[in-house]
Amino acid sequence: DTAVSQTPKYLVTQMGNDKSIKCEQNLGHDTMYWYKQDSKKFLKIMFSYNNKELIINETVPNRFSPKSPDKAHLNLHINSLELGDSAVYFCASSLQGVSTEAFFGQGTRLTVV
Amino acid sequence: QQQVKQSPQSLIVQKGGISIINCAYENTAFDYFPWYQQFPGKGPALLIAIRPDVSEKKEGRFTISFNKSAKQFSLHIMDSQPGDSATYFCAARYGSSNTGKLIFGQGTTLQVKP
Repeated sequence: DTAVSQTPKYLVTQMGNDKSIKCEQNLGHDTMYWYKQDSKKFLKIMFSYNNKELIINETVPNRFSPKSPDKAHLNLHINSLELGDSAVYFCASSLQGVSTEAFFGQGTRLTVV
Repeated sequence: QQQVKQSPQSLIVQKGGISIINCAYENTAFDYFPWYQQFPGKGPALLIAIRPDVSEKKEGRFTISFNKSAKQFSLHIMDSQPGDSATYFCAARYGSSNTGKLIFGQGTTLQVKP
């Protein structure tokens, strides 16, 4: 059983399109995250949710909108995709907050052409 | 001030050797320092973590050394193995346990030659 699963694994799309990435965790964790890893492998937090409530919203363009329908799911919707959005997006979860171990999904490699 | 500086960017070590990765920070409000290991095509996974009230933590072949006064911490991998070849990230927590965030270093790509 995969602890944190995200779909799709690969996503190739044209500029201007809208796309979603789904994430589910079966660990019973309270906190979920979206991270972006750029081409230089730099990892940066985008959003954090605790019990479905938005906790962290980094300086991310409004085109990115997270949605947490329940504690086990955190989806990421991206509007009007741009070339610079190309990256690997990781979903993660932790039991409670960032001082507990974060479990990462396998990542979604988004390529905007 | 919220940066964590990691070095070297890449590292090549012979099998059986010691791999050392260093991180430095400025913000004294950081209070939790994990290391993550990432294999190609996979998400990062927690390797070992330390809090600033401890100067060293060892788990198997992996040791974190922490120097609070110098605001530096490092990962030592003893008896490095080819299976250790991966990218390693140091990180530091900023903010409270529930609302804080992890600031990651730039990553170190380790290659262990057989």
